[in-house]
Amino acid sequence: GAVVSQHPSRVICKSGTSVKIECRSLDFQATTMFWYRQFPKQSLMLMATSNEGSKATYEQGVEKDKFLINHASLTLSTLTVTSAHPEDSSFYICSARVVEGAEAFFGQGTRLTVV
Amino acid sequence: AQSVSQHNHHVILSEAASLELGCNYSYGGTVNLFWYVQYPGQHLQLLLKYFSGDPLVKGIKGFEAEFIKSKFSFNLRKPSVQWSDTAEYFCAVNARTGGFKTIFGAGTRLFVKA
Repeated sequence: GAVVSQHPSRVICKSGTSVKIECRSLDFQATTMFWYRQFPKQSLMLMATSNEGSKATYEQGVEKDKFLINHASLTLSTLTVTSAHPEDSSFYICSARVVEGAEAFFGQGTRLTVV
Repeated sequence: AQSVSQHNHHVILSEAASLELGCNYSYGGTVNLFWYVQYPGQHLQLLLKYFSGDPLVKGIKGFEAEFIKSKFSFNLRKPSVQWSDTAEYFCAVNARTGGFKTIFGAGTRLFVKA
């Protein structure tokens, strides 16, 4: 299957700093990438949808100024958690899709810990 | 609001037992349905998917799922589980009415006793 690489897999940062997470589709071009957040023992909550070259669409309740998403190319999307706080600690997962409606391929996730 | 419900949060089975995990969705119109699996320490992997055609879908590792449109259900089954099936299973749906955003159920943690 198609491969999506997410980096870093783990990051610890100090409160107030910003963290960037990268999501790359390695062997296909992703017209759409999704960013999810997964709390312990809970499901994946969709944060935002990004299409290459356009602004991301955020789900209700997700602060777009806090979670900056850039989808600069068909193989790369980034999520920047700005001014991180301990409550932002979570598991962030990206997925990438080629065709509308088709299955998405998932990265391995990034565990963010804000101390 | 569009949603996906998984009935069982935790399931414990012995090896060779049969498995059925329930999934119901609330979406209007045509839907695309998926089951994903997340093994401990690994990323999500697609088990199987349904877009159209035969409502009984066969996936990897002996899993299958049946789409019953009248019941808005897409239950996952496996006749005989193995210890290696221990994982978390997520039902997911996307649809044109939802902008093709994939929405996940809460997940079911399956533990298979050897």
